[in-house]
Formats: sequence, structure tokens, C-alpha cells
Amino acid sequence: AAGVIQSPRHLIKEKRETATLKCYPIPRHDTVYWYQQGPGQDPQFLISFYEKMQSDKGSIPDRFSAQQFSDYHSELNMSSLELGDSALYFCASSLGLEGTYEQYFGPGTRLTVT
Amino acid sequence: QKEVEQNSGPLSVPEGAIASLNCTYSDRVSQSFFWYRQYSGKSPELIMSIYSNGDKEDGRFTAQLNKASQYVSLLIRDSQPSDSATYLCASSGGYQKVTFGTGTKLQVIP
Repeated sequence: AAGVIQSPRHLIKEKRETATLKCYPIPRHDTVYWYQQGPGQDPQFLISFYEKMQSDKGSIPDRFSAQQFSDYHSELNMSSLELGDSALYFCASSLGLEGTYEQYFGPGTRLTVT
Repeated sequence: QKEVEQNSGPLSVPEGAIASLNCTYSDRVSQSFFWYRQYSGKSPELIMSIYSNGDKEDGRFTAQLNKASQYVSLLIRDSQPSDSATYLCASSGGYQKVTFGTGTKLQVIP
């Protein structure tokens, strides 16, 4: 079965640079979620989109922005990167209103800021 | 206080034993509950979802939900060394974000 695809899998950036993470949800899934997970921590919700509209917002810094496109893929844009942004970034997708809201996670993007 | 509370462990059980993982939640509007398994450096993998009071069984896994007590548990029968991982309990109010607990680290000793 098709899974959530994330790219790139690894990314190294310097402080103050910009990064763009991409997420391709499971086919037919209409909701995308972004999470940030630091070492030894649980995933922290950043933002979600349902049918290309922002549906919920968590602890996402103002330096970050995201959107969902017409083909349902989503991108997380991170600017003015800081050392503390180094983390695993997960995208998850679910089938929304007609589904069970079970979220399926992609393999993640490991971002290292130096 | 976190919305979803778990004992961080580690919980050590011998191979073949039953592992019991517990979780409490504070938000009474939560409707959906999930157990995810996460190996170090990997993404969370959905193991079980439960939406109504009672037990739900899937293979070696049984999820239990008690909404009156705001309590969710996961039983793993015949524990295997490959079950060693961090288990994340999570709750959701529906289409909204999933709120995770901090996870319980399970170690299955051969």
C-alpha cells in the first residue's frame, strides 16, 4: 500500500538559511499534518490542512509557513533557521470527515542546522 | 499537566510475557485514541485505534478504553524482542490534531 512520502530525507542547513520540506500524502487522504520531534521528545504538532485550507495550528514559529496544494501535497517552509530547529520533521496524512482520522506518518525529514 | 500522560518507563518484561502500557488523558472531548509504536530515529507507526469503551483486539495487541476514567491501555501478549520500542499514546477530538503523550519505552528481555 502507498505510504506518505517526504522529501528530502536529510537536510543540512546553516543558521539563517531557508529550508523547504515536502510531503505527499497517501492517495485519497485529504488532511495533512506536520509535526516536529526533538531528541527524546514526543512529536509536537505544528499545523494541519484539510482540503487545502489550514484546519488547525499548533506551536509553529512565525518563521515557519506551510500550505497544501491542489494535488494535496504540502510544503513546510522554514526561514531564518536557528540551531534549535534541528529535529525530525514528520508529515502525516488522514482521511478526514468521511474517515476515521487515523494519521499515518511519513518517514520524516531530519533537519540539521549548523 | 500534559493532556496525555504516560509513564516514561522503561518498562522491562521478559520475552513471552504480557506488556501492559497505560495512558490517561485530561480532555473529555477526546473521541479517538491511538497507540503508535516508534523505533529510535523512525516515524511513529499506528498500531491500534479505539473509539468506544471496552476492548479491541488485533493479533497480539489489545487496546482498552474507559472514557469514564479517562484511561487507555495497550496490552501486548507474547512479547517479543522486536516489540522493544517507545509506545506513544495519543488522543484526538476528530479531524483535529493528535495530541501525543511522552511515550513509554518498552524493553523485552530475551
